[in-house]
Amino acid sequence: DQQVKQNSPSLSVQEGRISILNCDYTNSMFDYFLWYKKYPAEGPTFLISISSIKDKNEDGRFTVFLNKSAKHLSLHIVPSQPGDSAVYFCAASALFQGGSEKLVFGKGTKLTVNP
Amino acid sequence: DAGVIQSPRHEVTEMGQEVTLRCKPISGHDYLFWYRQTMMRGLELLIYFNNNVPIDDSGMPEDRFSAKMPNASFSTLKIQPSEPRDSAVYFCASSLGSGARGYTFGSGTRLTVV
Repeated sequence: DQQVKQNSPSLSVQEGRISILNCDYTNSMFDYFLWYKKYPAEGPTFLISISSIKDKNEDGRFTVFLNKSAKHLSLHIVPSQPGDSAVYFCAASALFQGGSEKLVFGKGTKLTVNP
Repeated sequence: DAGVIQSPRHEVTEMGQEVTLRCKPISGHDYLFWYRQTMMRGLELLIYFNNNVPIDDSGMPEDRFSAKMPNASFSTLKIQPSEPRDSAVYFCASSLGSGARGYTFGSGTRLTVV
C-alpha cells in the first residue's frame, strides 16, 4: 500500500512559468517531508524539506507547502527553467515500530520544462 | 569527496545466476540504505544498516535477497538465484545520522535479468 502518492506521472510546463508538483500521504505519523530530484543515470539528490510543524518552506525558486489536514504537500518552482527537467520524488519520514526511521518515497513525477 | 560509489553501473545476467551489487558509502556516514526503483513500485527501501549492523530488513522481498556490511566502508546486496522480476535500478545511500535530509545516493546499478 502506497503511503506516499504522486498521482501525476508527468508534468510539462513552459520556461518561466510556475511548476506545481503534488504529493499526498496517508500516514499521520510522518514528521518530515522531503523532495528529491533525479536526473537520468544519476541517484536522487535532496532538494528541499519541511517539518510537519510548519506549513511552508522556501529556498530560492523552490517552495514546499504542507497542508496537514488534507495530508497534502506541493512543490512550487518559480520560475521554471529547462534545467529543472527531471523526475521529482516526494518522500516522508517517520519513526516506525521498533525504532526504525524510514524514508518512504512516492513513485515520482517527471517534469519537463520546455524552452 | 567522491560521494557514494556503486558498482557495477550496469549488470546483465541470466536467470538463476548470482548477482552481487556493491556500495562504498561516504566516509564517516554511519547509516547505509539499499533502495530499489521500479516503474510499478517507485523507490522501495530494502534494508538499512547503522554502524554496520542491519536494523530493518523488512523491505527485502524474499530469501533470495541478502545484504551484508562487513565494515564501515563497504556493503553488498546479493541476489541468488536471480529472476527476471528482479530487474530494476538498485540504489545505495548513506547518511550521518538517520535524519532524512542527510541521505546521499549513489548513481545506482541497473540490473537486467534475462
